[in-house]
Amino acid sequence: QVQLQESGPGLVKASETLSLTCTVSGGSVNSNNHYWTWIRQPPGKALEWIGYIYYSGTTNYNPSLKSRVTISLDTSKNRFSLNLSSVSTADTAVYYCARANLYLKLDPWGQGALVTVSS
Amino acid sequence: QSVLTQPPSVSAAPGQNVSISCSGGSSNIAINYVFWYQQFPGTAPKLIIYDNNERPSGIPDRFFGSKSGSSATLGITGLQTGDEAEYYCGTWDSSVSAGLVVFGGGTKLTVL
Repeated sequence: QVQLQESGPGLVKASETLSLTCTVSGGSVNSNNHYWTWIRQPPGKALEWIGYIYYSGTTNYNPSLKSRVTISLDTSKNRFSLNLSSVSTADTAVYYCARANLYLKLDPWGQGALVTVSS
Repeated sequence: QSVLTQPPSVSAAPGQNVSISCSGGSSNIAINYVFWYQQFPGTAPKLIIYDNNERPSGIPDRFFGSKSGSSATLGITGLQTGDEAEYYCGTWDSSVSAGLVVFGGGTKLTVL
């Protein structure tokens, strides 16, 4: 059974870079059947898709965040990472990682990591 | 403003049936699979419907999904107090060259 776990700093200063890692267990990120995905949810608000990375290294980002987002893959450690640069308080959210199939079905999800951006 | 439109809230009594709508357009729901996620406070979303109307193992058949044109619906029969949660629809949107995943704004289900 595949499980995902987010990790990283819970507090980031405005204008700096938010960095999170998602460690995958019970499955391999080196899979041609899945997209490794990041989603976020500001407090009290809806889900927002950030982007995904494929095992080949191909990425796809939400146009609204594209200029600030980088998602990378570390197959040796079976994990993938999110970098979001030049953050502001509007980036305060719970950040989730998830596995998506080729039709973008998101399952399973990690438990989520709250990241607060301080001004 | 979410790409997909859901009612902010619905409510019904235990044992009753309820439906939650999700309205989209020609670049998303009309041509792609719809997924539904259930989220309890303080926890991660959980997939309950995929490919418009399929249930993952372990999801009771009280939950069902349907799609018609550019709209989708999540139905829940025989409501239980444990169904009280936030529900999100999601799909792929092909309106930009590379596409993107879009979600609805969420619907809070209250079981009275």
